[in-house]
Amino acid sequence: KNEVEQSPQNLTAQEGEFITINCSYSVGISALHWLQQHPGGGIVSLFMLSSGKKKHGRLIATINIQEKHSSLHITASHPRDSAVYICAVGETYKYIFGTGTRLKVLA
Amino acid sequence: DAGVIQSPRHEVTEMGQEVTLRCKPISGHDYLFWYRQTMMRGLELLIYFNNNVPIDDSGMPEDRFSAKMPNASFSTLKIQPSEPRDSAVYFCASSFGQFRVRDDTEAFFGQGTRLTVV
Repeated sequence: KNEVEQSPQNLTAQEGEFITINCSYSVGISALHWLQQHPGGGIVSLFMLSSGKKKHGRLIATINIQEKHSSLHITASHPRDSAVYICAVGETYKYIFGTGTRLKVLA
Repeated sequence: DAGVIQSPRHEVTEMGQEVTLRCKPISGHDYLFWYRQTMMRGLELLIYFNNNVPIDDSGMPEDRFSAKMPNASFSTLKIQPSEPRDSAVYFCASSFGQFRVRDDTEAFFGQGTRLTVV
């Protein structure tokens, strides 16, 4: 079993839909990181969080340390949100990465 | 700041050749990371530096891989000799500050170097 599991692996949504991507982990961590990788390959940091919830624009990330679970929500999804979303968990700087969720938002 | 700059963006080389990947971190950042991304294994941390000193290289796959950071603004990842299974995208990232102290510490990634070894 992988130490970091993401679900779903693939997701297709219609523009405007509310999207949830989940990340579960089995290791002790000090923080969890959500990354976005666009088709061109570049990686952008979306959130780093160790507790509670963070919001940035249409993106919301939550984490439950006790349940070892995090969710990334996208409200009012748009085709430009199409990307691979990667969850990474870390103790010090040794990130362990999930395999990613490939999101495609159709116009 | 232009962000983390990696070069080259693409590299195609023949098996057995030496390959050098380069990275310029964001000015002022004191941590630098090298990652490798493959279809099979996803993203993996290879090595990271703090203040130019290698802290953890346990992710470096073999002795064929070596990384240096001669100063705060430059790092290299070298593969010698290269093999087809080294084909991957190699990312460099940098960040500032202690991971545990600052909840909002984040790593900034370069665009990656796509390496193909034939």
